[in-house]
Amino acid sequence: QKEVEQNSGPLSVPEGAIASLNCTYSDRGSQSFFWYRQYSGKSPELIMSIYSNGDKEDGRFTAQLNKASQYVSLLIRDSQPSDSATYLCAVNTGFQKLVFGTGTRLLVSP
Amino acid sequence: EPEVTQTPSHQVTQMGQEVILRCVPISNHLYFYWYRQILGQKVEFLVSFYNNEISEKSEIFDDQFSVERPDGSNFTLKIRSTKLEDSAMYFCASADRDHEQYFGPGTRLTVT
Repeated sequence: QKEVEQNSGPLSVPEGAIASLNCTYSDRGSQSFFWYRQYSGKSPELIMSIYSNGDKEDGRFTAQLNKASQYVSLLIRDSQPSDSATYLCAVNTGFQKLVFGTGTRLLVSP
Repeated sequence: EPEVTQTPSHQVTQMGQEVILRCVPISNHLYFYWYRQILGQKVEFLVSFYNNEISEKSEIFDDQFSVERPDGSNFTLKIRSTKLEDSAMYFCASADRDHEQYFGPGTRLTVT
């Protein structure tokens, strides 16, 4: 069974702090990795994709990938209350399908 | 900005009835997907569709499920005989060659 593991949280950070979200995956053959944000009752919204080892930055978001450790992370700098949501790690394990983790709930307090 | 759309937003049906969930993917996308999310659980893959045929399906996607792209814009999911356990949010997604999948707003299916 190909799994994607995330700490369910909640992860609580004060406004302006850095939030660090982590994800591990079991399938070494995984090729591409995604972070989605999901507000309560809404659909997943793609915020980052990463395909090769290292860091990828987009605005306040940085995704980090370490294939040897089978580890993906998302850093959110200058966290805002509007960032409060569940963050889903998703891994493309084969042809096309995404395998999702259960998500980490992030709470940013003003 | 182009987006995936889904109708209806909420569908209530009785057990044993057929339902059709509709999606309009982003217009230049090539790959289409259905996922579902039971309340409080993770997003689960159902099926992927490319070049007018199913490219991959999960164990959930049994003979009660079917997908169709009846014209150049719509992508549908049919459940022939709904069960109570089919109650969930159903998300359609589409992707271009980069395989970044964009999700629609979802259809909440309630089976009574």
